[in-house]
Amino acid sequence: GENVEQHPSTLSVQEGDSAVIKCTYSDSASNYFPWYKQELGKRPQLIIDIRSNVGEKKDQRIAVTLNKTAKHFSLHITETQPEDSAVYFCAASKPSGYQKVTFGTGTKLQVIP
Amino acid sequence: EPEVTQTPSHQVTQMGQEVILRCVPISNHLYFYWYRQILGQKVEFLVSFYNNEISEKSEIFDDQFSVERPDGSNFTLKIRSTKLEDSAMYFCASSVGQGGEPQHFGDGTRLSIL
Repeated sequence: GENVEQHPSTLSVQEGDSAVIKCTYSDSASNYFPWYKQELGKRPQLIIDIRSNVGEKKDQRIAVTLNKTAKHFSLHITETQPEDSAVYFCAASKPSGYQKVTFGTGTKLQVIP
Repeated sequence: EPEVTQTPSHQVTQMGQEVILRCVPISNHLYFYWYRQILGQKVEFLVSFYNNEISEKSEIFDDQFSVERPDGSNFTLKIRSTKLEDSAMYFCASSVGQGGEPQHFGDGTRLSIL
């Protein structure tokens, strides 16, 4: 089955700096890659997603890139703020299998004021 | 904005007892899911449900687990005989379609097995 690796497991940045989280996936049939932000004790919240027919997508301070050939995708957060502190999960799913989402292991981002 | 709602928020149960976790998916969504998250770990897929039947399940979803949509709004996860290792946060999610449609998660039920 699908396996999603995520790095780093923890990331500390100064407020205003950029943060980059990287993921790889194993199943070339995966075509949908959501990113979730999870604050302590809360639900995973979808913050951005990308489909395999797109190489890059941006939404204000957040951008995702996808390299299907290498099976890599990344989350970029610019101008980080303390409220960006959370655990971020990348994920992958395929068009079949009723969209079972396979999550990465998570990155705990700490933005230092 | 419509949300997935889950009850209870916290369930404490003795080992060996049955528990039922309840979810109300977003009303126009057709696909329903249960995930679990052991404290400090990643979110793991349990089961997906469409058209009143299971469409896929993981190896975690063994004979002790079952899901049901008893009426037009509720979606339940039952664990027949709970084990200590069932202690986790259980999230319900729903999506309007399949194949690249966002899944929306509920706030979760924290299940504690004593």
